[in-house]
Amino acid sequence: GENVEQHPSTLSVQEGDSAVIKCTYSDSASNYFPWYKQELGKRPQLIIDIRSNVGEKKDQRIAVTLNKTAKHFSLHITETQPEDSAVYFCAASMLSGGSNYKLTFGKGTLLTVNP
Amino acid sequence: NAGVTQTPKFQVLKTGQSMTLQCAQDMNHEYMSWYRQDPGMGLRLIHYSVGAGITDQGEVPNGYNVSRSTTEDFPLRLLSAAPSQTSVYFCASSPGTVGFYGYTFGSGTRLTVV
Repeated sequence: GENVEQHPSTLSVQEGDSAVIKCTYSDSASNYFPWYKQELGKRPQLIIDIRSNVGEKKDQRIAVTLNKTAKHFSLHITETQPEDSAVYFCAASMLSGGSNYKLTFGKGTLLTVNP
Repeated sequence: NAGVTQTPKFQVLKTGQSMTLQCAQDMNHEYMSWYRQDPGMGLRLIHYSVGAGITDQGEVPNGYNVSRSTTEDFPLRLLSAAPSQTSVYFCASSPGTVGFYGYTFGSGTRLTVV
């Protein structure tokens, strides 16, 4: 089955700096890659996703890049703010067939933005 | 729409007790799943359902049972609670293929087994 590795497990940045979180996946059939943000004590919430026909996607201060050949994808947050502090999870799934009913998650990255 | 509703929010069980975590959604979603979240482990799939009457195992199914008699409800049963089942449990639903529609998560149930 799919295996998703996520690095780093913790990341501390100064307010205004950029943050980058990286994930690799094992199943070349995966073609949907979402990122979730989970604040302390809350449910995971989708912040951005990318599908395999796209190499990069941006939404204001966040962006995701995908390299299908290398089987890795990354989350980029620019101009970080204290409210960006949370645990971020990457995940992988399929758009059709196989495991299209589930997400396989990475182990998470605790991002701390220091004022 | 209430979305995905999980009850209870918190529960303490003694080893060997059984209980059911409730999950209900009012969005007519076909796909429903149960995940557990442990520190440093991410979210791991316990059981899932792709429609009423259809359930299957995820990656960590041992010690848990599910059923899906209606589209709306997907309860998770702990048969004989063990300390290793101390975790936060999330129910999630999707109208169909997760890659097209994404997941809607419930607010979670924090379970402690002593």
